[in-house]
Amino acid sequence: QVQVVESGGGVVQAGESLTLSCVASGFSVGNYGMHWVRQAPGKGLEWVAVLWANGFKKHYEDSVRDRFTISRDTSKNTVFLQMNNLRVEDTAMYYCARDRSYYSDEFWGQGTLVNVSS
Amino acid sequence: QSALTQPPSASGSPGQSVTISCTGTNSDIGAYNYVSWYQQHPGKAPKLMIYEVTKRPSGVPDRFSGSKSGNTASLTVSGLQAEDEADYYCTSYAGSNNLGVFGSGTKVTVL
Repeated sequence: QVQVVESGGGVVQAGESLTLSCVASGFSVGNYGMHWVRQAPGKGLEWVAVLWANGFKKHYEDSVRDRFTISRDTSKNTVFLQMNNLRVEDTAMYYCARDRSYYSDEFWGQGTLVNVSS
Repeated sequence: QSALTQPPSASGSPGQSVTISCTGTNSDIGAYNYVSWYQQHPGKAPKLMIYEVTKRPSGVPDRFSGSKSGNTASLTVSGLQAEDEADYYCTSYAGSNNLGVFGSGTKVTVL
């Protein structure tokens, strides 16, 4: 059964760091594109970071490009989102999702909440 | 990349049809047949309803259909049911050097 489970969210102060983890089961993260999507309270969905199946190509939302890093560890079947220098505007639910093809994410986690206070 | 444009809301009575539009540019929707639609109920993760403009993942009812013309994609929900009341988001691939882009979201109300 395909599943992804996020963890690592929490309450931090602006300027601090967090690392989100997305543990996959039922498939290998090395064979699929993996995405982080966030949703601020009461707002819409936003692609934050994507890692293509080849493991090399990565894209980031403009406001996080120099602060966030997406990576994967195939031995742990886990995808990470390293978030540095967090800002209040990064407050959101962060979802991990597995790509089917070109941003068609068929499997999503339940999300992990990041709350950045000033 | 700018967000794709969706109407904020749409509604219909049970059994009726509702169509949601998603307007982009010739750099995203107009350039590629990689438009997806997601359904999101309050407090839940999004669910993929349509991918590659017209395809339905396994388990998605055939009441949901997608189409595209030029820079605008559309999602049609036929035979509206109470459980279709949710937020719907479109998204499009925007080229190999760009992040994908989401639509602004449409709240569908079943009257």
